[in-house]
Amino acid sequence: DTGVSQDPRHKITKRGQNVTFRCDPISEHNRLYWYRQTLGQGPEFLTYFQNEAQLEKSRLLSDRFSAERPKGSFSTLEIQRTEQGDSAMYLCASSLDGGYEKLFFGSGTQLSVL
Amino acid sequence: EDQVTQSPEALRLQEGESSSLNCSYTVSGLRGLFWYRQDPGKGPEFLFTLYSAGEEKEKERLKATLTKKESFLHITAPKPEDSATYLCAVPNTGFQKLVFGTGTRLLVSP
Repeated sequence: DTGVSQDPRHKITKRGQNVTFRCDPISEHNRLYWYRQTLGQGPEFLTYFQNEAQLEKSRLLSDRFSAERPKGSFSTLEIQRTEQGDSAMYLCASSLDGGYEKLFFGSGTQLSVL
Repeated sequence: EDQVTQSPEALRLQEGESSSLNCSYTVSGLRGLFWYRQDPGKGPEFLFTLYSAGEEKEKERLKATLTKKESFLHITAPKPEDSATYLCAVPNTGFQKLVFGTGTRLLVSP
């Protein structure tokens, strides 16, 4: 069990640029979640996958956000035309089928939009 | 709307000074309440799951309890290494994802 891996750990970008984050879940886990966390707040749900199928997207996820999980393995989260309000920690978590119980989180990608 | 409220927002204790953190929730048909610990710059780490009122779970200096409307995380004789943010979460009404509270930031001074 190597844990959930996220890359990069930190990303600094200028407003208007596109960014992409990667998450590698624990290998046998079917479910993969993306959460966003700002300073002093708890994680907020963005979206989740069951294998390669994206089953739910939060209203927080504007059209500028897109997530994929090709072949049900790693996942990517892309933000287009970044805004300063996108600055946050983006957390990935995975779990066994059946779901939300006992999520294993990665260390997150800290995004700063200048 | 599913909601989780944690109090206090922040808590400063002296080493050895016991205290409790509170988590209250409003969700239809509770199917578990989860406690996580989060260190600065890291993702949350799972601590406990509680499923029914009256249930208790313990791990080292931490004990979590559950009633019908709230949960407590009791910290007995804390040490500086217990300093972290403690998050609680419940499954949403559709049981597809966890809804988190804003957390309690605990600082234990030697």
